[in-house]
Amino acid sequence: AQTVTQSQPEMSVQEAETVTLSCTYDTSESDYYLFWYKQPPSRQMILVIRQEAYKQQNATENRFSVNFQKAAKSFSLKISDSQLGDAAMYFCVYNTDKLIFGTGTRLQVFP
Amino acid sequence: GAVVSQHPSRVICKSGTSVKIECRSLDFQATTMFWYRQFPKKSLMLMATSNEGSKATYEQGVEKDKFLINHASLTLSTLTVTSAHPEDSSFYICSARSDRIYEQYFGPGTRLTVT
Repeated sequence: AQTVTQSQPEMSVQEAETVTLSCTYDTSESDYYLFWYKQPPSRQMILVIRQEAYKQQNATENRFSVNFQKAAKSFSLKISDSQLGDAAMYFCVYNTDKLIFGTGTRLQVFP
Repeated sequence: GAVVSQHPSRVICKSGTSVKIECRSLDFQATTMFWYRQFPKKSLMLMATSNEGSKATYEQGVEKDKFLINHASLTLSTLTVTSAHPEDSSFYICSARSDRIYEQYFGPGTRLTVT
């Protein structure tokens, strides 16, 4: 069975700085999707970024980028120029026919 | 973007009663809908997957007679918590996916409190 591990329960960053959230996963499949979802205090799940496993190029969405290492089964999220609004719980998610969630990383952003 | 709504956003019910939560896809046809449960400061736990017009598939450990799921149309799925008990108090989130949109789009969630 697929599993997703987020080893950092909490992280903090100063406004305008860069932070990286770690994620590793386990799968025997070769074709899959990976996502980072953000859950702010409102608890609405928001898709931050997605990566297709067959694409070698790392996905980027504005200040958010990933470092996808397929052989190492690693999928980290880098947030550049952190903003107060980035404070949230971040979930690393593996997708085949259903979503497998990591345990989450709570990100605090300090002014 | 794709929008999913949930109703109600909060509900309080008495122990032993049933409560229904609705999940609607507002601007796309959801061939598959998912129901999750989230405990405080925890991750999302998938409860069941439902495809329009067919019976829901429940995850291991989820009581299908307690959590009734109906996906009667391409825009509506309902979760009914039957004979609710205080331990059913939780945050319930639905998501929806169509054949043409690979991502799951999430509803805003429903906080259920059973007194």
